[in-house]
Amino acid sequence: RKEVEQDPGPFNVPEGATVAFNCTYSNSASQSFFWYRQDCRKEPKLLMSVYSSGNEDGRFTAQLNRASQYISLLIRDSKLSDSATYLCAVNVKSNYQLIWGAGTKLIIKP
Amino acid sequence: EAQVTQNPRYLITVTGKKLTVTCSQNMNHEYMSWYRQDPGLGLRQIYYSMNVEVTDKGDVPEGYKVSRKEKRNFPLILESPSPNQTSLYFCASSALALHEQYFGPGTRLTVT
Repeated sequence: RKEVEQDPGPFNVPEGATVAFNCTYSNSASQSFFWYRQDCRKEPKLLMSVYSSGNEDGRFTAQLNRASQYISLLIRDSKLSDSATYLCAVNVKSNYQLIWGAGTKLIIKP
Repeated sequence: EAQVTQNPRYLITVTGKKLTVTCSQNMNHEYMSWYRQDPGLGLRQIYYSMNVEVTDKGDVPEGYKVSRKEKRNFPLILESPSPNQTSLYFCASSALALHEQYFGPGTRLTVT
């Protein structure tokens, strides 16, 4: 099993729809969780940290499910500009590293 | 403006010719890191640094060296590049380990 795993997609979603994807991780003791967005061949940019109680930033909601060891990202009222690859990062090792998923590609269609 | 800078942005070189990719951050961050990104494999950490003079291996350190002589700079050195080091490289920094990381614009390296 990979340490951090994401469905590569692509998810093809019509504009205005709600879409959600998950990121599973291997270590039940993990404490740091992040979602990043990456546009084609550019640097990843922080979208949001994920807190135990879940958190929301505008149209984006992140949640943590410790029992099943995954984090989720939900995007409401999707925009064309949301098309990107979404990366998750988790500290699955007992050191100072974040381990990254390979990303989920999202395509929003008009 | 808070940022992480990398140079060069694009580099084509030949096998065995030593090269250095520079990374600098102006946010007074303690933690810095180098990643490589290859299709289908995601970001893999090469080396990281908790603070000045403190560096440690990531998951794919073979063929790379780093140094952290100043807090703001974290250069990546390829002593003898090989074609399997052709990749997209990102430098990142964060205030502390396991905090939000901020990335440089990337360096696209081709080794022929």
